[in-house]
Amino acid sequence: SQKIEQNSEALNIQEGKTATLTCNYTNYSPAYLQWYRQDPGRGPVFLLLIRENEKEKRKERLKVTFDTTLKQSLFHITASQPADSATYLCALLGDNNDMRFGAGTRLTVKP
Amino acid sequence: GAGVSQSPSNKVTEKGKDVELRCDPISGHTALYWYRQSLGQGLEFLIYFQGNSAPDKSGLPSDRFSAERTGGSVSTLTIQRTQQEDSAVYLCASSLVRWEQYFGPGTRLTVT
Repeated sequence: SQKIEQNSEALNIQEGKTATLTCNYTNYSPAYLQWYRQDPGRGPVFLLLIRENEKEKRKERLKVTFDTTLKQSLFHITASQPADSATYLCALLGDNNDMRFGAGTRLTVKP
Repeated sequence: GAGVSQSPSNKVTEKGKDVELRCDPISGHTALYWYRQSLGQGLEFLIYFQGNSAPDKSGLPSDRFSAERTGGSVSTLTIQRTQQEDSAVYLCASSLVRWEQYFGPGTRLTVT
């Protein structure tokens, strides 16, 4: 069966450090992978998309890597700030062309 | 511009009652999705509409759930004979391109 696993349910880091979140998938052959941010009581917000032929993508303090051999994506936030505290979700296209989301990792950045 | 809106924001209903949840997508977005998110859980795909094509209903958990999209715009998710396990936040999203979905704020459904 298809699975998307975000390894850490919660991650606590100190302000200024780099946060690294992991997304592993099984039985997908995704053309692309996405990362979303979700704040409490709000819907997810699209952050970044990385395609299968891209190894790395950057947007401001965000960096995403995509290893189709390891079936893994890493999501990095450099110089983290308390405002980065949120739940981060990875998402892949499922067999029926529907978007499947991981359970998310709740990031807390402490001042 | 206006984002995706959903109504009501909160709904409390008694077990066995029917409920209707509404989603107004971003104007011009051809695709519309419904998801369910239980407390502390990820998003569970329910149904997907793309233009005038037949919807992908593969995620609907039972025949008590149905959805329609009128005129390619507003969508209504209907849950009949609600059960306590239906309690969750129901999220709607729309998109112009498949990979960038814009989510509404959700409807929190509580079945007592």
